[in-house]
Amino acid sequence: GAVVSQHPSRVICKSGTSVKIECRSLDFQATTMFWYRQFPKKSLMLMATSNEGSKATYEQGVEKDKFLINHASLTLSTLTVTSAHPEDSSFYICSARTPGTYEQYFGPGTRLTVT
Amino acid sequence: AQSVTQLGSHVSVSEGALVLLRCNYSSSVPPYLFWYVQYPNQGLQLLLKYTTGATLVKGINGFEAEFKKSETSFHLTKPSAHMSDAAEYFCAVSSAGGTSYGKLTFGQGTILTVHP
Repeated sequence: GAVVSQHPSRVICKSGTSVKIECRSLDFQATTMFWYRQFPKKSLMLMATSNEGSKATYEQGVEKDKFLINHASLTLSTLTVTSAHPEDSSFYICSARTPGTYEQYFGPGTRLTVT
Repeated sequence: AQSVTQLGSHVSVSEGALVLLRCNYSSSVPPYLFWYVQYPNQGLQLLLKYTTGATLVKGINGFEAEFKKSETSFHLTKPSAHMSDAAEYFCAVSSAGGTSYGKLTFGQGTILTVHP
């Protein structure tokens, strides 16, 4: 149980285009999902907390207009990187929290490369 | 505010040897503590967690960790390393209250290498 999927697993896009990454909880309803960014050989940095039906809460220093987060249902959250630039290249990981617990289940990650 | 420090970005052991990965935390409220493992180009898998109760917690794959409040530590151990344990390990802290409610703060990660 508690499986989280991400799509796509890997994406290459050109500078200036937008990319959407999906995060789905497959066998449970997640009222809260989290989006992380992981730089090479670095730890995970929390970007934002996504709550179903409300606006995402962004961490300090994360541009909300560049990283658009939508949590339209209890099983789906999306992260859209708008007007992507090479410095946005990174490994993006989402997680979902099971209701009533503090445990987060992580997706397999999405490798974004902006050329 | 909460933070996590993992001592040693790289740890190398021989197969069959003891594994010890160190983690110290800082939290203004009672912490919830987690260890995750990450294999290359994959997401994170939960190894074990401490929330309340017994301070020695056992996880998957033979790992265990002990919460020591006086030392603000949550070190991860495994009596005998296996080749398949080679991966990166992250310690994380969360809390039931305060401004960091429900959020995970990760340490820098420790890469474990296991030699034959």
